Amino acid sequence: QITLKESGPTLVKPTQTLTLTCTFSGFSLSTSGVGVGWIRQPPGKALEWLALIYWNDDKRYSPSLKSRLTITKDTSKNQVVLIMTNMDPLDTATYYCAHSNLYGDYWYFDLWGRGTLVTVSS
Amino acid sequence: EIVMTQSPATLSVSPGERATLSCRASQSVSSNLAWYQQKPGQAPRLLIYGAFTRATGIPARFSGSGSGTEFTLTISSLLSEDFAVYYCQHYNNWPPSFTFGPGTKVDIK
Repeated sequence: QITLKESGPTLVKPTQTLTLTCTFSGFSLSTSGVGVGWIRQPPGKALEWLALIYWNDDKRYSPSLKSRLTITKDTSKNQVVLIMTNMDPLDTATYYCAHSNLYGDYWYFDLWGRGTLVTVSS
Repeated sequence: EIVMTQSPATLSVSPGERATLSCRASQSVSSNLAWYQQKPGQAPRLLIYGAFTRATGIPARFSGSGSGTEFTLTISSLLSEDFAVYYCQHYNNWPPSFTFGPGTKVDIK
């Protein structure tokens, strides 16, 4: 059974750096065709993809946020870490990590963590 | 950049009725389209991928269709548990990126 769980601070101040950790079980991020991504959702708004790391350590970022994001993995610990710099109140959102699988030629998020709400406020 | 739009924003349906949700891409995405369901306070759940393939454990009352720029999610006979927000999503091969639509809320009529 695949599970994912997000952890990190619930409150950060503007301009600070946010570090979120996704701890997962039930799969290995060294298996071909597997990835873990981060998606966020501001309160009452739509989903926004942030970043994805593949089994081969390839990394992809949302073009609009690329300069502020870093995604890394620790295969031995079954963890994926997302770092977002220069936080702003507009970054207040629930942050989800999700397992991604290659279906044919395309990637989708087939299993999600419960999410963690991060509030940016002074 | 491909933009995904969904209509209507809100769909009011009675239990037992059929619900038809639309998703449109600003340019052709072939059959590279997924649908997710999100209930209040919960994470999204993958329903459909590849435009029409149901994900594991998804009931047959959910069906997807379409290709190119126009896609449809149909819920054949709504149950109370189906009232939720539904998002479409496209994966772009190059540069690799994911784009979600703004969502359609299905509520009780």
